[in-house]
Amino acid sequence: GAGVSQSPSNKVTEKGKDVELRCDPISGHTALYWYRQRLGQGLEFLIYFQGNSAPDKSGLPSDRFSAERTGESVSTLTIQRTQQEDSAVYLCASSLEGGAKNIQYFGAGTRLSVL
Amino acid sequence: AQSVTQLDSHVSVSEGTPVLLRCNYSSSYSPSLFWYVQHPNKGLQLLLKYTSAATLVKGINGFEAEFKKSETSFHLTKPSAHMSDAAEYFCVVTPSDYTSGTYKYIFGTGTRLKVLA
Repeated sequence: GAGVSQSPSNKVTEKGKDVELRCDPISGHTALYWYRQRLGQGLEFLIYFQGNSAPDKSGLPSDRFSAERTGESVSTLTIQRTQQEDSAVYLCASSLEGGAKNIQYFGAGTRLSVL
Repeated sequence: AQSVTQLDSHVSVSEGTPVLLRCNYSSSYSPSLFWYVQHPNKGLQLLLKYTSAATLVKGINGFEAEFKKSETSFHLTKPSAHMSDAAEYFCVVTPSDYTSGTYKYIFGTGTRLKVLA
């Protein structure tokens, strides 16, 4: 079956513009995660969705960042008024359920460049 | 709080020689531990995971890792490197199910493996 799909694969934008990143999780996966990977660094947790529960937004770095998920399907990560420090690869992952023992499957990411 | 340290940012080995990528973790409870590999412009792929079963874990592509609680280590090894192993490797820890936020992967900063012909 298809894996986690992210679009676009690359996004170049000007400082101050808004961007929207999309993630299609593996079908049937109830949990969805967003991470940010800055150059030369590990991944930072941003947000977690699990079924109909309230999302855990504790990793979002500022109020310019927001994410939505429709049911157990597509999620969008929106960054408003982009800044140069937002340049990074944004990775989405999904798992069958939440919890430490559930393997997270990752998409190839969206590389965001803010000029 | 949980954390993970990958001791080497870069490792170079010759093809056919052993690979050792080091990872130390900090966790208040019994952790789950993972190794992921990231090839250029590709998503992260799970190599192996430890979730409190056997301490020696075998993964894909000939990789294995040993959980050593006394040393708080989870080093990744492979007996013989192949050119296709060149990639970035991430060690990941998650808290046990006894704490909240158990879904959060905590990543190390990565080790870039270079395989020389």
